[in-house]
Amino acid sequence: QVTLRESGPALVKPTQTLTLTCTFSGFSLSTSGMCVSWIRQPPGKALEWLARIDWDDDKYYSTSLKTRLTISKDTSKNQVVLTMTNMDPVDTATYYCARIRSSGGHVDYWGQGTLVTVSS
Amino acid sequence: QPVLTQSSSASASLGSSVKLTCTLSSGHSSYIIAWHQQQPGKAPRYLMKLEGSGSYNKGSGVPDRFSGSSSGADRYLTISNLQSEDEADYYCETWDSNSRVFGGGTKLTVL
Repeated sequence: QVTLRESGPALVKPTQTLTLTCTFSGFSLSTSGMCVSWIRQPPGKALEWLARIDWDDDKYYSTSLKTRLTISKDTSKNQVVLTMTNMDPVDTATYYCARIRSSGGHVDYWGQGTLVTVSS
Repeated sequence: QPVLTQSSSASASLGSSVKLTCTLSSGHSSYIIAWHQQQPGKAPRYLMKLEGSGSYNKGSGVPDRFSGSSSGADRYLTISNLQSEDEADYYCETWDSNSRVFGGGTKLTVL
């Protein structure tokens, strides 16, 4: 059974760096073809893709946010970490991690999401 | 990079059928998409992968009432025998080798 769970601070101040952790089970990021993405959703708005990390440590970022994002993995802990620098109130959103298999290409499992509010 | 366009809202009566549309931008009409359902207050849930040929593969546990079809750049999600629990936001997703995009979502109201 595949599960993903996001964790991190619920509140960050403007200009701070956000660090989110995705802890997953039911698959391994050392298995060929496995990938994990981060996706966010501002309140009442649509989903926005942020970043992806692959089993072979290839990394991909949203063009509009790539200067602020870093994605990494700890295969031994079944975790993927996303950092976003210079947080702003417009970054207030629910942040989801999700699994992707390269054979399918699409997200096939979602985490429950974690709401991050940016406010002083 | 492709762009996905969805109507912002749709409505249909309990027990009826509804067809939601996701349109791929020019030059991307052959792209495969996926449909996701997001019930109020919940995380999205994967529904199906849908190819330009109209062939689709549903996720585990997705009811038979959900089906997909395609025509040109349009990708459709049809929900038959609408139930109250189908009231949700529906998002389409597509991807290429190094990026991913979601449509703006369609809010489905079951009357």
